[in-house]
Amino acid sequence: QKEVEQDPGPLSVPEGAIVSLNCTYSNSAFQYFMWYRQYSRKGPELLMYTYSSGNKEDGRFTAQVDKSSKYISLFIRDSQPSDSATYLCAMSARTTNAGKSTFGDGTTLTVKP
Amino acid sequence: NAGVTQTPKFQVLKTGQSMTLQCAQDMNHNSMYWYRQDPGMGLRLIYYSASEGTTDKGEVPNGYNVSRLNKREFSLRLESAAPSQTSVYFCASTASGAYNEQFFGPGTRLTVL
Repeated sequence: QKEVEQDPGPLSVPEGAIVSLNCTYSNSAFQYFMWYRQYSRKGPELLMYTYSSGNKEDGRFTAQVDKSSKYISLFIRDSQPSDSATYLCAMSARTTNAGKSTFGDGTTLTVKP
Repeated sequence: NAGVTQTPKFQVLKTGQSMTLQCAQDMNHNSMYWYRQDPGMGLRLIYYSASEGTTDKGEVPNGYNVSRLNKREFSLRLESAAPSQTSVYFCASTASGAYNEQFFGPGTRLTVL
């Protein structure tokens, strides 16, 4: 079983929809939770991160972590065609583990105008 | 400030040929990584280097070797390419910090015939 499981998608939504992207994990040591966005034929870029449990909001994006359920989500409000990309969740335990993160397989999102 | 750079961007090899993928970062990061990304399989860690002078195996090291030439440069070598190594290869780096944000290069698209 993988340490990080991500809803596979693909996901196709109309412009303006609310999008929910989700990951579950099994390693209780994970403390840092990140979402990367990867446009087609580009490298991933960090979109948001949260430490431990709780919510974090940045514009139209909200990251949510529920450590008791080992479940994280990324919500996108008022989705735009420019949000079309693959979204990867990533998690790490401590800063002393050579900075390694464990990535989900990614969910590809298409927002149709 | 170029971030993480990778060369070449594209490469076609014949089975059995060798090649080296180059990666350099100008952010003074300690840790560097090589991933491969295949459709539906997310990012898989091949090798990583926690600091200059050290390298360690990741999830899928077979068929690859690495060299951490100095703090800036981390190269990946395929000694005898196989069709199963057809993939997109990403180099990434991270500083030691409160969370392990990784900065990715633009990728190398490798096809082995």
